[in-house]
Amino acid sequence: EPEVTQTPSHQVTQMGQEVILRCVPISNHLYFYWYRQILGQKVEFLVSFYNNEISEKSEIFDDQFSVERPDGSNFTLKIRSTKLEDSAMYFCASRLTGGYNSPLHFGNGTRLTVT
Amino acid sequence: ELKVEQNPLFLSMQEGKNYTIYCNYSTTSDRLYWYRQDPGKSLESLFVLLSNGAVKQEGRLMASLDTKARLSTLHITAAVHDLSATYFCAVDMSSNYKLTFGKGTLLTVNP
Repeated sequence: EPEVTQTPSHQVTQMGQEVILRCVPISNHLYFYWYRQILGQKVEFLVSFYNNEISEKSEIFDDQFSVERPDGSNFTLKIRSTKLEDSAMYFCASRLTGGYNSPLHFGNGTRLTVT
Repeated sequence: ELKVEQNPLFLSMQEGKNYTIYCNYSTTSDRLYWYRQDPGKSLESLFVLLSNGAVKQEGRLMASLDTKARLSTLHITAAVHDLSATYFCAVDMSSNYKLTFGKGTLLTVNP
């Protein structure tokens, strides 16, 4: 079964450094998302992306964050200057259509640790 | 601001028993989703509930939605150890899968 692939599985970075988290959504999917989950807490929406632009973003997704679909297969999340509180599991997700019955497929996540 | 509350947050049950997890939300919505997460793993979609009165069943799990009461339930029948996981409900207020998740219910099924 096709799946969403995220790399790396674990990334450690120092505060103030830039990180790029990479995702390969399911190949024929059109809608892309980033969510994050701080350890032991609930999953939070960051951003949605469709047709090469951001559809919606949360208050968490400030100017330090950006997303890009640089080619036909990758979808990246960049954090420009990481903070300690950015430490979390970041999940990429995709879905096929805009219909409500089209479920989100999540990747296995990238655990980001900011030291 | 949409609030999604699950209870209980922790549930330890014996194999073979039945139990229900509740998900209340604060603002009218008719789109509610249930996910399962195993430790260190991703979120697996279990149920998509899109209308008042929707009921869906998969194996030992059954989910329902009452939009008037702003309540969804996830009922576990004759629990088995393999059901041990964290279960999240999530509500979509946008038209865009901008999901607001509950805190999750950590279910442990003991032999």
